[in-house]
Amino acid sequence: EVKLVESGGGLVQPGGSLRLSCAASGFTFRDYYMDWVRQAPGKGLEWVARITNNPSSYKTDYAASVKGRFTISRDESKNSVFLQMNSLKTEDTAVYYCVRDAHTAFDPWGQGTLVTVSS
Amino acid sequence: QSALTQPPSASGSPGQSVTISCTGTSSDVGGYNYVSWYQHHPGKAPKLMIYEVTKRPSGVPDRFSGSKSGNTASLTVSGLQAEDEADYYCNSYAGRNNFVFGTGTKVTVL
Repeated sequence: EVKLVESGGGLVQPGGSLRLSCAASGFTFRDYYMDWVRQAPGKGLEWVARITNNPSSYKTDYAASVKGRFTISRDESKNSVFLQMNSLKTEDTAVYYCVRDAHTAFDPWGQGTLVTVSS
Repeated sequence: QSALTQPPSASGSPGQSVTISCTGTSSDVGGYNYVSWYQHHPGKAPKLMIYEVTKRPSGVPDRFSGSKSGNTASLTVSGLQAEDEADYYCNSYAGRNNFVFGTGTKVTVL
């Protein structure tokens, strides 16, 4: 069974940092791009970041709203993808989903981890 | 990148059909055949229902179908069932390795 399990969410003050993790299982991790997508309370889905699967030269892309503050990375030895979030703002409050990227669609999705940015 | 436009809500009685639109621009929906649709029951993980405009992943009932005309994509759910009540989001590749989601549509089964 393909499974994605996120962790690392929690409460953080504005300006603070948080690192999300996503453990993947049930598929050949190195064959896929991986992404993060978020959903703010009462709002729609927003694509956040993507990382390719070429270890010799990972390529990353970000939504304009997080570029320069968030960093996506992956560890093939741990079948995991990470999202380092710095300079957090209240508007970053959301459920963050880890997703497997099949280039033209996101499938499957993890259950999500809640990040709350508040003082 | 602006979100794709979807109607906030749609509804139908069991057995009826409902169609949800997803309007973008020539830079996203109209420019690529990379439109996908996701079903989201609150509190659960979103689920891929349609990819590359018209393709259905294995396990998704053939009651779900997708189409596109110009800058507008559509998802049709035929033979509505109670379990189809959920939020639905479209997504499109928007060039330069970016993706954009729709605003979301809440489908209610009357």
